[in-house]
Amino acid sequence: AQSVSQHNHHVILSEAASLELGCNYSYGGTVNLFWYVQYPGQHLQLLLKYFSGDPLVKGIKGFEAEFIKSKFSFNLRKPSVQWSDTAEYFCAVRSDDFGNEKLTFGTGTRLTIIP
Amino acid sequence: ETGVTQTPRHLVMGMTNKKSLKCEQHLGHNAMYWYKQSAKKPLELMFVYSLEERVENNSVPSRFSPECPNSSHLFLHLHTLQPEDSALYLCASSQDWGRLHNEQFFGPGTRLTVL
Repeated sequence: AQSVSQHNHHVILSEAASLELGCNYSYGGTVNLFWYVQYPGQHLQLLLKYFSGDPLVKGIKGFEAEFIKSKFSFNLRKPSVQWSDTAEYFCAVRSDDFGNEKLTFGTGTRLTIIP
Repeated sequence: ETGVTQTPRHLVMGMTNKKSLKCEQHLGHNAMYWYKQSAKKPLELMFVYSLEERVENNSVPSRFSPECPNSSHLFLHLHTLQPEDSALYLCASSQDWGRLHNEQFFGPGTRLTVL
């Protein structure tokens, strides 16, 4: 079974700072990787996803993530954050194993941007 | 608007009450999911329905009873809950279950408080 670790529980940054949120997963086979975002009072929504191909994935609102297979990592980045990026960010992984298609989430990272 | 709606948005119930959570998806998807989101814990998958048949039951206590009368609607019937069941209950849907490239779309959740 796969698992996901998000090491940063709460990150506080000033506007215009650069962001990197860590995500590591444990699974040796083929995986799909996702970052979801949950803005205050809103539903969980997909930020970006990796299925195959270019390991550098670009998502909405200027976010990107890089899949590094050798490190089992899928870190989320943004060069310059805005106050509106304040939210909770969840990394998720799904394996390619038959019978194990469920999405496994990390515990989430709360991001607070100070104006 | 993700196309997945949930009612009610907030629910307070006593331990002896019986209540139901409702989820509706307007996306023409074949798979629907119930998740539990508790503070400081990863999202926990509870149930999965594919084409109205339950395909996953993640060791959920019997005081939670799902029902999927058709591919657009999913219910979670609650009875004799415990205070530790207080959480945000999220519904999600995807085109199909068990296909690697499926993306899940989430509803806004029902905030449940058990007194």
